[in-house]
Amino acid sequence: DAGVIQSPRHEVTEMGQEVTLRCKPISGHNSLFWYRQTMMRGLELLIYFNNNVPIDDSGMPEDRFSAKMPNASFSTLKIQPSEPRDSAVYFCASSPRALNTEAFFGQGTRLTVV
Amino acid sequence: DAKTTQPTSMDCAEGRAANLPCNHSTISGNEYVYWYRQIHSQGPQYIIHGLKNNETNEMASLIITEDRKSSTLILPHATLRDTAVYYCIVRVAGGYQKVTFGIGTKLQVIP
Repeated sequence: DAGVIQSPRHEVTEMGQEVTLRCKPISGHNSLFWYRQTMMRGLELLIYFNNNVPIDDSGMPEDRFSAKMPNASFSTLKIQPSEPRDSAVYFCASSPRALNTEAFFGQGTRLTVV
Repeated sequence: DAKTTQPTSMDCAEGRAANLPCNHSTISGNEYVYWYRQIHSQGPQYIIHGLKNNETNEMASLIITEDRKSSTLILPHATLRDTAVYYCIVRVAGGYQKVTFGIGTKLQVIP
């Protein structure tokens, strides 16, 4: 298995633009997580899906952020409009059970909003 | 969820044991201690977890104090590739619990 696949690896965009980050979880995993990592706040959980259904989105910073999981093999995290303070590394992770442990992380997307 | 405190950074000589401490004084009876690490520019990687007994796997050993208020992750023979940020997390093992990794301990293995 190729592991969790995220795209793009790097994204540079201008303030106000829409940004879409993509994630393909490991086949057979039924839990998916989106995290954001910054120097100041560390690694924060944004949203958790179980069986394609959003279970906890309390970590989503504001309405500019949205996430979808249309099927078991694909998820997106969208920021519209983007702001410089959204600059961070965004990680997607998947887990074979409804547990927030032993999760397998992707390589991350480094987002820079200028 | 219980919070953890870890030193911000540590150094360890290559080939020596690296002992990374974690305090979790408010841990509940059904919460496990989990350790992850994050090597530069990569996603976090699961290492080990335990409830109250000491645990060992191919990567590391986990020592949990009898009162469960603290634990130590041991890398028996640190290599340069073990240089990473190490995160200690406490959570229940069943069901869903929101977890924030925090800042962790930056371990630098020195040649």
